[in-house]
Amino acid sequence: EVHLVESGGGLVQPGGSLRLSCVASAFTFSTSWMTWVRQAPGKGLEWVANINQDSSKEVYVDSVKGRFTISRDNAKNSLYLQMNSLRAEDTAVYYCVRDPYSSGGYAAFDIWGQGTMVTVSS
Amino acid sequence: VVMTQSPLSLPVTLGQPASISCRSSESLVYKDENTYLNWFQQRPGQSPRRLLFKVSNRDSGVPDRFSGSGSGTDFTLKISRVEAEDVGVYYCVQGTKWPYTFGQGTTLEIK
Repeated sequence: EVHLVESGGGLVQPGGSLRLSCVASAFTFSTSWMTWVRQAPGKGLEWVANINQDSSKEVYVDSVKGRFTISRDNAKNSLYLQMNSLRAEDTAVYYCVRDPYSSGGYAAFDIWGQGTMVTVSS
Repeated sequence: VVMTQSPLSLPVTLGQPASISCRSSESLVYKDENTYLNWFQQRPGQSPRRLLFKVSNRDSGVPDRFSGSGSGTDFTLKISRVEAEDVGVYYCVQGTKWPYTFGQGTTLEIK
């Protein structure tokens, strides 16, 4: 069964940093775009960032540009999100998601992890 | 691209149909002539799950009471007969233009 398992969430002070990880299993990770989507408590879904198969293209929502970095290690079937200069408004469940079209993402989001909670608070 | 869903709250009687509208501020037709408008269901306490991709293509395991239609800027998700397991929040999302954008979500509840 295909799986995405996130880890690395937790409580961090404003201005702090956190690195989220996601491990994929039972599908060919290296051929898929990958995505981070977040959901603030009681709110809707927000796309955060995408990365293509060979890490040559990264795209971010404006609110995290310059603060967050998406990366991947295909040898380890792993996706990462380095989050710096964290703000209270970054508090959310962060989902690791597969975006399956090989030619581009297109928000097709066919596989989702269970999510990891990030809380930014003093 | 701004995605606007309506209604935001949808109380439905079991066995009755339901319809959710999703409108985009720009055409979602991509240069390859595909329309990258997808629908997701999020049941209480669960991760989202894709129901339909490219407007009307139903995912494996999704009951055929779910259907999608529309073109350009105007799209609709329909449930022909609502069942108890359909309770949750429904989102549309466009993948035609960066940044990807979701609708606000429509909460379906049983009357």
